[in-house]
Amino acid sequence: AQKVTQAQTEISVVEKEDVTLDCVYETRDTTYYLFWYKQPPSGELVFLIRRNSFDEQNEISGRYSWNFQKSTSSFNFTITASQVVDSAVYFCAQFLGGNQGGKLIFGQGTELSVKP
Amino acid sequence: GAGVSQSPRYKVAKRGQDVALRCDPISGHVSLFWYQQALGQGPEFLTYFQNEAQLDKSGLPSDRFFAERPEGSVSTLKIQRTQQEDSAVYLCASSFRSPARGGTDTQYFGPGTRLTVL
Repeated sequence: AQKVTQAQTEISVVEKEDVTLDCVYETRDTTYYLFWYKQPPSGELVFLIRRNSFDEQNEISGRYSWNFQKSTSSFNFTITASQVVDSAVYFCAQFLGGNQGGKLIFGQGTELSVKP
Repeated sequence: GAGVSQSPRYKVAKRGQDVALRCDPISGHVSLFWYQQALGQGPEFLTYFQNEAQLDKSGLPSDRFFAERPEGSVSTLKIQRTQQEDSAVYLCASSFRSPARGGTDTQYFGPGTRLTVL
């Protein structure tokens, strides 16, 4: 069955440190889609990245980078030179398709606290 | 509007009351999803609409939960005879295409409605 595991419940770092958030997924599909969302204290889920299983290239967007490794079923997220504004809960998710449509399956989330 | 909007942002209900939560998706988005997020947990799927058709309601926890999207735009999630275990944040999301038609578009979320049942 599809499942997403974020083993780190909470991470605390000091500003300017680099931090990596882990995500491990399980799937029987050969084609699948993975996502990362950020949930700041305001509560809204903010989309960060979408990755399909065909594309194993790592991606960098400013201070954010993602490492997708099919061999280990992992899709890890790194923030370089963290800032206080990065403090939030981060969710990894997998799209689960089906005959009637689809849904996102979320991990439990990792709460990141960046201290000045 | 530019993004998904939800109202009210906060709702306090007495046990046994009925509540209605509204979602206004991004204009032109075919698909609309409802998720429930308990404190400290990831969101969990409740139901999905393609235009006005409710194609999947497998995540609704009981028959007290009902959702509709009569004109294929705004959606309402109704909870009858609320119980304390219904306390959660209810998130709405929309996407441009329909997963039922093979689309796997990004889902964009609203700010959520925090429901507290006393």
